[in-house]
Amino acid sequence: KAGVTQTPRYLIKTRGQQVTLSCSPISGHRSVSWYQQTPGQGLQFLFEYFSETQRNKGNFPGRFSGRQFSNSRSEMNVSTLELGDSALYLCASSPMGGADEKLFFGSGTQLSVL
Amino acid sequence: GNSVTQMEGPVTLSEEAFLTINCTYTATGYPSLFWYVQYPGEGLQLLLKATKADDKGSNKGFEATYRKETTSFHLEKGSVQVSDSAVYFCALSNAGGTSYGKLTFGQGTILTVHP
Repeated sequence: KAGVTQTPRYLIKTRGQQVTLSCSPISGHRSVSWYQQTPGQGLQFLFEYFSETQRNKGNFPGRFSGRQFSNSRSEMNVSTLELGDSALYLCASSPMGGADEKLFFGSGTQLSVL
Repeated sequence: GNSVTQMEGPVTLSEEAFLTINCTYTATGYPSLFWYVQYPGEGLQLLLKATKADDKGSNKGFEATYRKETTSFHLEKGSVQVSDSAVYFCALSNAGGTSYGKLTFGQGTILTVHP
């Protein structure tokens, strides 16, 4: 079974631009979560999608948004990029998104904002 | 709110040494507890988990016991190998219907094992 696939692996953008990151979950997994990882703040939860609906959301500004398609693939978008948005963005999938479930993580997209 | 505190790192050990990484948590109710590991250039992988008090999670020689009385979930391994060098994250998720996909992570502990 293929793992969680994130594209692209690396991105370089400038302040003010917007960016879209993509995540393909493990086949059969319907829950997709997104996390931001930085040296200063560590791993922080962005949001979770299930059956094309956002069910849970972390404490990030509205510039961070996401969506999920009918095949469970997910995208996240960051608009009006700031220097502080430079981070590794990790996507994780699980069958149903339950509290006890193991999350399967992708290798991440490294975003650099210049 | 929920929080997870891990021991300060980095931790440097010689091969075959005993490993302990401390983890304590603050949460309402009865959270599920996890240890994830991140190898260089990769995403996180679940190492072990425990879902109720006194449960012991174990995998690849690593163990951790869910201690509700001390709100702790310390990671241990009796004999580490060079291949165990990685970053280790303690995490929790709240039981109940609103924690979908959300883990609260500790800050991570870098482990380096020398031959």
